[in-house]
Amino acid sequence: EAQVTQNPRYLITVTGKKLTVTCSQNMNHEYMSWYRQDPGLGLRQIYYSMNVEVTDKGDVPEGYKVSRKEKRNFPLILESPSPNQTSLYFCASSSTGARTDTQYFGPGTRLTVL
Amino acid sequence: GQQVMQIPQYQHVQEGEDFTTYCNSSTTLSNIQWYKQRPGGHPVFLIQLVKSGEVKKQKRLTFQFGEAKKNSSLHITATQTTDVGTYFCAGPHNDMRFGAGTRLTVKP
Repeated sequence: EAQVTQNPRYLITVTGKKLTVTCSQNMNHEYMSWYRQDPGLGLRQIYYSMNVEVTDKGDVPEGYKVSRKEKRNFPLILESPSPNQTSLYFCASSSTGARTDTQYFGPGTRLTVL
Repeated sequence: GQQVMQIPQYQHVQEGEDFTTYCNSSTTLSNIQWYKQRPGGHPVFLIQLVKSGEVKKQKRLTFQFGEAKKNSSLHITATQTTDVGTYFCAGPHNDMRFGAGTRLTVKP
C-alpha cells in the first residue's frame, strides 16, 4: 500500500531534550516536506526537500533541522525543543514537487514539549 | 510573500443545508488545490484547479477558480454528517501556502 508513515504518533518530552520524528514514504517520491499545524493557523511548512541531499527552508524553520540522505526518508530533528514547538506535525510527499503535484500526508505526530 | 486567506474559520450547519468556504490570495496563483482533513486525521487531496474560471464538481461538491486566479471557493450542496472536517485550500506546490482552513460541523 502506497503510504507515508511517521513515528512516533504521539510524543511528550521536556524542554531541551533532543528528539527526532521519522518520516518514510514508499512511493519513490522525490519531494518531501514537513508541516506543523496549529489552531487558527492552518498548516505551515517547516522544511522541504526536492530530492536527496537537497533541503530548503519553509515558512517556519527556526528550531528545526532536517536531512535527506535517502529518497524515502526525511526525518525532522528538534535539537533543543521548547514549549512553543508543541504542535501537530505532518510529513508529506509528492512525485516531483511540481506545482501541480498532489501531496500525500502522513498520519501526523502530536508533540507536547513540557 | 504569498498569503492565502480562507474564510470562514468555522461553520456549523444543519444537515441538508449548503456550505461554502472561500479562499483568497494576495497574488495570482498558477493553480490551487483543496484538501479535506477529517477530525483526528490527516489532510487528503480533493481536487486541483488550474484554469481561470474553472469549475469542477465531485458529487455534491463544487469547486471554482476565479477569473483572476486569485480566489477560489468550495461549495457543498445538502451537507451530510460525512462532510464533517476541515477544508483547506493550498497555493502552488513549490511555494505551498495553506489557508487556515474552514472547520465544518454538521448537526444531524
